[in-house]
Amino acid sequence: GENVEQHPSTLSVQEGDSAVIKCTYSDSASNYFPWYKQELGKRPQLIIDIRSNVGEKKDQRIAVTLNKTAKHFSLHITETQPEDSAVYFCAASAGSSNQFYFGTGTSLTVIP
Amino acid sequence: SAVISQKPSRDICQRGTSLTIQCQVDSQVTMMFWYRQQPGQSLTLIATANQGSEATYESGFVIDKFPISRPNLTFSTLTVSNMSPEDSSIYLCSTRQRVHNEQFFGPGTRLTVL
Repeated sequence: GENVEQHPSTLSVQEGDSAVIKCTYSDSASNYFPWYKQELGKRPQLIIDIRSNVGEKKDQRIAVTLNKTAKHFSLHITETQPEDSAVYFCAASAGSSNQFYFGTGTSLTVIP
Repeated sequence: SAVISQKPSRDICQRGTSLTIQCQVDSQVTMMFWYRQQPGQSLTLIATANQGSEATYESGFVIDKFPISRPNLTFSTLTVSNMSPEDSSIYLCSTRQRVHNEQFFGPGTRLTVL
């Protein structure tokens, strides 16, 4: 089955700096890559996703890039703010009938 | 996205008892899932709740321990049976529409077993 690895496990950045979280996957059939943000005590929330026919997607301060050849995808957060502090999970799926495989999570702390 | 609610939001239970968690969605959804999340850990899929048929369980999870019902396209239940302290966790239901493949989560049920 699919194996998703996520790095780093913890990340601290100064407010206003950028944060980058990276994930790798093993199954070349995976074609959908969502990112979730989970604040303490809250549910995971979908913040951005990318499909395999696209190399990059951006939504305001967040962007995701995908390299299918290398089987890795990354989340980029620019101009970080304290409210960006949360745990971020990447995931990979090989299609609408297939389960999501989640990474181990990255705890991001934005220092004011 | 669909609005997903869960009941109860939290519970403290005694060893050996069972708890049924309810998941209600405000619109019909193709796929429903049940996850477990241990403190500080990632999301582990327990099973896929299939409407009108038996749930599909992941490795390490069995129907006798985690019976699941899905009587229609908007509702599912997960029962945690014969609980032990190791079952203390957050249980989340999740929905996905097959067309878009986007998956959303309920607020979770925080279970503590004494």
